[in-house]
Amino acid sequence: DAKTTQPNSMESNEEEPVHLPCNHSTISGTDYIHWYRQLPSQGPEYVIHGLTSNVNNRMASLAIAEDRKSSTLILHRATLRDAAVYYCILRVITGTASKLTFGTGTRLQVTL
Amino acid sequence: EPEVTQTPSHQVTQMGQEVILRCVPISNHLYFYWYRQILGQKVEFLVSFYNNEISEKSEIFDDQFSVERPDGSNFTLKIRSTKLEDSAMYFCASSARTDGNQPQHFGDGTRLSIL
Repeated sequence: DAKTTQPNSMESNEEEPVHLPCNHSTISGTDYIHWYRQLPSQGPEYVIHGLTSNVNNRMASLAIAEDRKSSTLILHRATLRDAAVYYCILRVITGTASKLTFGTGTRLQVTL
Repeated sequence: EPEVTQTPSHQVTQMGQEVILRCVPISNHLYFYWYRQILGQKVEFLVSFYNNEISEKSEIFDDQFSVERPDGSNFTLKIRSTKLEDSAMYFCASSARTDGNQPQHFGDGTRLSIL
């Protein structure tokens, strides 16, 4: 899997938007950008994914740069329950891309 | 929303003993995975399984490990003779397909403690 780079940690105030960046300068045309998060004492949880266009779902939005070399996960109103480690992972479109390769992610702290 | 369930939530075992970790994947999913996370470290891939066969495994998944889908709902990970370094959280995951346009859904894990 191509490499991604994320800040080790970020802080946010509750009810404010959070923008979590991810650099993936070696991304290929066949890589989807996936985001997962891991809350304390829980398994990883799927958040969102996209290929070229920006994506929205009930949890978050994903903004993908035009050259696809970076992306940003946007939490529109952070809550204390969003405190977690967020992982940006690249996955190929087709074929036997079975495994997810987790990095160290970004630890998001949310304060009152 | 359907979810992956794992049992037990915590397993304590003596070194050298066999242990079986159990998972019930999401019912219409066809691809199954095990990952582990040693305390304070990254989540690591162990094995993927499809059509009753291992499709990919990591270096961690040596001869002491095996996986099985004994019936239509369960997916198990067996460690034959546990070592102290097997102490970790073990996560099961499943997906409907294996391509990049498909997420994997994880259970909340089994904490395995080897004494």
